[in-house]
Amino acid sequence: KQEVTQIPAALSVPEGENLVLNCSFTDSAIYNLQWFRQDPGKGLTSLLLIQSSQREQTSGRLNASLDKSSGRSTLYIAASQPGDSATYLCAVNSYGQNFVFGPGTRLSVLP
Amino acid sequence: NAGVMQNPRHLVRRRGQEARLRCSPMKGHSHVYWYRQLPEEGLKFMVYLQKENIIDESGMPKERFSAEFPKEGPSILRIQQVVRGDSAAYFCAISELSPRGAPNTGELFFGEGSRLTVL
Repeated sequence: KQEVTQIPAALSVPEGENLVLNCSFTDSAIYNLQWFRQDPGKGLTSLLLIQSSQREQTSGRLNASLDKSSGRSTLYIAASQPGDSATYLCAVNSYGQNFVFGPGTRLSVLP
Repeated sequence: NAGVMQNPRHLVRRRGQEARLRCSPMKGHSHVYWYRQLPEEGLKFMVYLQKENIIDESGMPKERFSAEFPKEGPSILRIQQVVRGDSAAYFCAISELSPRGAPNTGELFFGEGSRLTVL
């Protein structure tokens, strides 16, 4: 059964810093991995989707990498801004299972 | 999130009442997922439905919870005889087709959620 963990659980950084969020999963037989952002009281916004055959995806200041063999993905946020403050979730879509979510990383970017 | 409409956004029920949550995916999407997010916890899969068919209900509690996605109309998540522990945000999601064309291997898009409070 797929298990997904995320570290750190919470992160507070000053504006302008580059930062890395980590996601680990136990079963490498996956279709894809997706990163989301969730603002308080809101739904989930899709940030990046990486297919199992891909190594990374980029969108603006965001870059997500995937190392299937080691069961890891990282989300890199460049030049962080206060508007980036949110909870970031990774979700893994595995063979025979549906999307399994990690517990999230709560990011606070201080002005 | 414009592709998935959920209502009501907020619902308050007293213990023992019924809660009905609705999810309307945009036209052309015939598969929906329901997830539950308890306070201070992560998202947990509940059920995966195709129109008129339940594909995977492995995450549904055995009692009081049911889901359907009829040929016409929205998907409904129904909770009977609600208890305080049912207070949570309930999210509906759709999945785009993957490059391989499989309906549950593409990108996941969520609605804004329905927040149930049980008094």
